[in-house]
Amino acid sequence: SQQGEEDPQALSIQEGENATMNCSYKTSINNLQWYRQNSGRGLVHLILIRSNEREKHSGRLRVTLDTSKKSSSLLITASRAADTASYFCATARSGTYKYIFGTGTRLKVLA
Amino acid sequence: NAGVTQTPKFQVLKTGQSMTLQCAQDMNHNSMYWYRQDPGMGLRLIYYSASEGTTDKGEVPNGYNVSRLNKREFSLRLESAAPSQTSVYFCASTAGPEKNIQYFGAGTRLSVL
Repeated sequence: SQQGEEDPQALSIQEGENATMNCSYKTSINNLQWYRQNSGRGLVHLILIRSNEREKHSGRLRVTLDTSKKSSSLLITASRAADTASYFCATARSGTYKYIFGTGTRLKVLA
Repeated sequence: NAGVTQTPKFQVLKTGQSMTLQCAQDMNHNSMYWYRQDPGMGLRLIYYSASEGTTDKGEVPNGYNVSRLNKREFSLRLESAAPSQTSVYFCASTAGPEKNIQYFGAGTRLSVL
């Protein structure tokens, strides 16, 4: 069973709008990561947030983590057509090397 | 610096055939992983190798074997391919337990007829 589940499954917005996607997980974790996958490509790491952090920023990305609710959100501000991709959260149970990826959110940014 | 290199990029097999997917990384990473991604799905861990000389099962290991040949290379073998193994396979590596960022290869698209 997959530990991470993203919501929504698909999201379509206009260029310039903000995009928010959510991730839920099931067990205690050391950190949570977000990855992007362009069509037909491998995954690319975007941002990592540790379990003792509540919010982290990187450029137009903002990630929050609520360990009490076992959930995280990824906000992409001022979206661009180039942001069109699938976004996945990934976690590893504390003390393990086994990363679990969610099912992903397919984001489409319309120019 | 090529990162993570996977070969081949595409492969078509008949049911029952065997093949080995190759993965190599040039970042001196300790840990390596094999995942499969089915349409509309996230990645599922098949096997991983925390360090050279060790391998361990992931979420979906049945039908696969792995070899950590050396620190650079981690291969995935399908001994008797089945249509259910049609998927895109990704290899990834990380520097180690405290360095969790995974670097992915471009993937191998495998079809089993």
